[in-house]
Amino acid sequence: GQQLNQSPQSMFIQEGEDVSMNCTSSSIFNTWLWYKQEPGEGPVLLIALYKAGELTSNGRLTAQFGITRKDSFLNISASIPSDVGIYFCAGSNFGNEKLTFGTGTRLTIIP
Amino acid sequence: EAGVAQSPRYKIIEKRQSVAFWCNPISGHATLYWYQQILGQGPKLLIQFQNNGVVDDSQLPKDRFSAERLKGVDSTLKIQPAKLEDSAVYLCASSSKTGANTGELFFGEGSRLTVL
Repeated sequence: GQQLNQSPQSMFIQEGEDVSMNCTSSSIFNTWLWYKQEPGEGPVLLIALYKAGELTSNGRLTAQFGITRKDSFLNISASIPSDVGIYFCAGSNFGNEKLTFGTGTRLTIIP
Repeated sequence: EAGVAQSPRYKIIEKRQSVAFWCNPISGHATLYWYQQILGQGPKLLIQFQNNGVVDDSQLPKDRFSAERLKGVDSTLKIQPAKLEDSAVYLCASSSKTGANTGELFFGEGSRLTVL
């Protein structure tokens, strides 16, 4: 099955730094979502985007739905230790709740 | 509100043996999913149920995997016989009808399978 490509694959940053990651697809999606997964847990929804060009914030997180509908971006400002985890993008289309997940970006915060 | 419950959390079996995983979705959630997550990868959909009917099982290896949701509530995923490449975390997720098209899935903690 198709998977979305995320970059970077991993990030090592210091606490307080801003983080940017992106996700690209070869096909169009009508909905883009960003999930976070911590060790031993299932993914948890962070942000959902429903309209091309949409910019949505959730606290220190900001995500954008790309104009082409084939990409999305996630930014985290002023990172804190609890931001550690794997961030997955996911796409879906109207009338079908099936999600296609990205390959993930692993975020590590260096003390 | 109780979350998605899965069991067992961990299972170790030898190849060619069988295994079953159980999932109880959030109460009232009509849609239930089983995802396979291999180490270092994103989750991959195996099967999607709407109530007790299968919506999508196109990526389920039907020669060895089976799943059912007989009463439209809890679900069981079975693997028989298991292969080494089936080692993965099996995630169950559910979503509500009111959340249709939002893409908001609620995931359980997963069942980690190791095949030796």
